[in-house]
Amino acid sequence: QSALTQPPSVSGSPGQSVTISCTGTSSDVGSYNRVSWFQQPPGTAPKLIIYEVTHRPSGVSDRFSGSKSGNTASLTISGLQAEDEADYYCSSYTSSYTWVFGGGTKVTVL
Amino acid sequence: QVQLVQSGAEVKKPGASVKVSCKASGYTFTTYYIHWVRQAPGQGLEWMGCINPNGGGTIYPQKFQGRGTMTKDTSISTAYLELSSLRSDDTAVYYCARGGIGYSYSYGDSWGQGTLVTVSS
Repeated sequence: QSALTQPPSVSGSPGQSVTISCTGTSSDVGSYNRVSWFQQPPGTAPKLIIYEVTHRPSGVSDRFSGSKSGNTASLTISGLQAEDEADYYCSSYTSSYTWVFGGGTKVTVL
Repeated sequence: QVQLVQSGAEVKKPGASVKVSCKASGYTFTTYYIHWVRQAPGQGLEWMGCINPNGGGTIYPQKFQGRGTMTKDTSISTAYLELSSLRSDDTAVYYCARGGIGYSYSYGDSWGQGTLVTVSS
């Protein structure tokens, strides 16, 4: 199972919005609403911020939102803040009954 | 509160095996799958598989079939990951994460602190 495709990096100024794409295939992202997003600041364990494409766990800021179109899922961070600087990973369930991650995207707040 | 506590760092020689533990608390251990994820230094996350603590059924990606083994001890609410025939590229931080009630359910609402495994001669 190949990794999902994410841009290596995105950046934005405080207050702006940034969107991270996560492109898979019809065997994973395109077929299942089982796409999650994780935030990982340096030196820490990942944190779940979006599950099942659009759902936020309790306690996660509503500045984070998820969507999906075809084989591509997206994470949007609105009102960018310095604390949002981190690596972000998408993950999808696959037709092989396994899960796969994207390569990760580094978000930089300018 | 839900908590996953992993065993400490390990240093192993190439060809050896390592076993990492993940002790769960704050919920009914047998209700939720446990997933294992690793991260090599400076690299991304890699899904290694999952185990159903209720029965012990496992799912592994092809890459780890035959070399990775996930087990559990429900009496102490602990899951284990054993990786054999270690190579230098197995050097990574290994995480356990709580899953859903089924293997296709979203996972990762709680994570262990990570266990660094270093493979070096």
